Amino acid sequence: DTAVSQTPKYLVTQMGNDKSIKCEQNLGHDTMYWYKQDSKKFLKIMFSYNNKELIINETVPNRFSPKSPDKAHLNLHINSLELGDSAVYFCASGLLGVAGNEQFFGPGTRLTVL
Amino acid sequence: AQSVAQPEDQVNVAEGNPLTVKCTYSVSGNPYLFWYVQYPNRGLQFLLKYITGDNLVKGSYGFEAEFNKSQTSFHLKKPSALVSDSALYFCAVRDGPSGTYKYIFGTGTRLKVLA
Repeated sequence: DTAVSQTPKYLVTQMGNDKSIKCEQNLGHDTMYWYKQDSKKFLKIMFSYNNKELIINETVPNRFSPKSPDKAHLNLHINSLELGDSAVYFCASGLLGVAGNEQFFGPGTRLTVL
Repeated sequence: AQSVAQPEDQVNVAEGNPLTVKCTYSVSGNPYLFWYVQYPNRGLQFLLKYITGDNLVKGSYGFEAEFNKSQTSFHLKKPSALVSDSALYFCAVRDGPSGTYKYIFGTGTRLKVLA
């Protein structure tokens, strides 16, 4: 009964490949997020979806394309992977309309691009 | 734009001693402030938050934080540190207009509690 789950946990791939990471939440939240945590542990938001609608799109290369088939799922597809994409990617969820509501994070996907 | 700063990359404290992890913020309007903890190879876990009301906020695992408006600080504290508290701690502030809330995280502070 994991609240926010991500697959895969580890992803090792070659430069130039295309890969996807999946995220699911069973908390009934209406908003989901993707974060990137780099090797220095800095955490930066990439995207956010509210009820399947994109509401936050930070300065991210358009090789990254999020997709939300429903409000419980948010996937991240990455085209033409580069060395600099190596990082840990975290999915999170929350309730947008609740002021000050905290986010719940998944366990992360460690992406290594060789 | 809203921001938070964590001035210390690492804090070392002896087990049983009180600990403080510092956070300062810069916001326009009323701040919504959060603390999260990240254990190795895990996602972030929510510890506590300040929305309004009492300046001393109590959270999980015996942690508390004090909101100080005049000093624009939201320091995380615990009266008696445990070795198991060793982890990476993030302060965060909610940013954005209504309908597009996002959370801005600090750079993190690594807490090491020494036995």
